[in-house]
Amino acid sequence: NAGVTQTPKFRILKIGQSMTLQCTQDMNHNYMYWYRQDPGMGLKLIYYSVGAGITDKGEVPNGYNVSRSTTEDFPLRLELAAPSQTSVYFCASSLGLPTDTQYFGPGTRLTVL
Amino acid sequence: AQSVTQPDIHITVSEGASLELRCNYSYGATPYLFWYVQSPGQGLQLLLKYFSGDTLVQGIKGFEAEFKRSQSSFNLRKPSVHWSDAAEYFCAVGGTLFGNEKLTFGTGTRLTIIP
Repeated sequence: NAGVTQTPKFRILKIGQSMTLQCTQDMNHNYMYWYRQDPGMGLKLIYYSVGAGITDKGEVPNGYNVSRSTTEDFPLRLELAAPSQTSVYFCASSLGLPTDTQYFGPGTRLTVL
Repeated sequence: AQSVTQPDIHITVSEGASLELRCNYSYGATPYLFWYVQSPGQGLQLLLKYFSGDTLVQGIKGFEAEFKRSQSSFNLRKPSVHWSDAAEYFCAVGGTLFGNEKLTFGTGTRLTIIP
């Protein structure tokens, strides 16, 4: 099993550009999550999904969108990138509830200039 | 609302010395508690978790943590650290008190190991 994979690893965007961060898991997990990690701030939940076709907002959803058309994939869309979105983004998955073990991808480091 | 406090931003210990990382939580019932580790440039990996039973929990890589309800704490310990333990450590709390509770992560403690 590859676990949770994320692409790209690094990206630099200009203000106002858009992009999609890709996330795929091969563990047949129901729950998937997007977090952002800022220095000294820990991880903040952006969006999560409890299954294909079902998504919900987390703590910091503004400026982002998600979709979940399959069990495996959970892409995160940034529209109109802003410097405040400079961060490291982690995708994670868990079999069932969020209190199950969450498995994390290696992260995407995004810089918005 | 649930919350987690990790009071130590950065800790430096000598290789072979013992380690204790502090975590305090706030939650309205018996929580699920977790310690995750993040090695440089990597995603997070679960070290151990607690949600019931024995309050002393054993994890991977020789780590353990003790749940103390009276102190709202879940401190992580290791008797003898190795250079490979240098990483950032995150405590997290969650539960099912209100249904599908998401995890709340602390701000992390960076561990440096000196020879």
